[in-house]
Amino acid sequence: DTGVSQNPRHKITKRGQNVTFRCDPISEHNRLYWYRQTLGQGPEFLTYFQNEAQLEKSRLLSDRFSAERPKGSFSTLEIQRTEQGDSAMYLCASSLGSGASNYGYTFGSGTRLTVV
Amino acid sequence: RKEVEQDPGPFNVPEGATVAFNCTYSNSASQSFFWYRQDCRKEPKLLMSVYSSGNEDGRFTAQLNRASQYISLLIRDSKLSDSATYLCVVNGGDSWGKLQFGAGTQVVVTP
Repeated sequence: DTGVSQNPRHKITKRGQNVTFRCDPISEHNRLYWYRQTLGQGPEFLTYFQNEAQLEKSRLLSDRFSAERPKGSFSTLEIQRTEQGDSAMYLCASSLGSGASNYGYTFGSGTRLTVV
Repeated sequence: RKEVEQDPGPFNVPEGATVAFNCTYSNSASQSFFWYRQDCRKEPKLLMSVYSSGNEDGRFTAQLNRASQYISLLIRDSKLSDSATYLCVVNGGDSWGKLQFGAGTQVVVTP
């Protein structure tokens, strides 16, 4: 297991198109998080899964955003009808149980989205 | 008010010098604290956890002041490779450990 894997690394899309990103967490980690980071800012929380259950969604996550984690393994984040304001780095992270409180998260390399 | 606030810098540091910077957090219920390092256009990576009594990891020293709700990071004998953005991270007091990130402090170590 080489850590948290995200695909694609880069995505350029036209405004109005739909995009989907994938995250494969560390295999034994039951918790998975999506964050978004724009230039000059820290990562902002979007949503969180424990196994397959989506337990919290940020108000940043508009109706155009949806995330899934079928079978509690990989996760997908879909953005419908993309807008230029969606341009950002989308980061996925995972942790084991409450380990986030002690050991933080392990992040993937991120997917950089550019909406033109 | 942001939950975690940091001086964005940049802190320009001569190689071999010491640099220190703080961050403040607003949620008094926060229990876990971390410093992450982020290189340009890369993902954040855990640098160190911050413990109540303060802790060191090589050239890095972290301190926590719960009364004043701030965390500090000190880097001794700065190396060129220490140039990065340092993110202050605090758990939000939620039971499941959601982490809140500051916007980062940029450190530039110069020869």
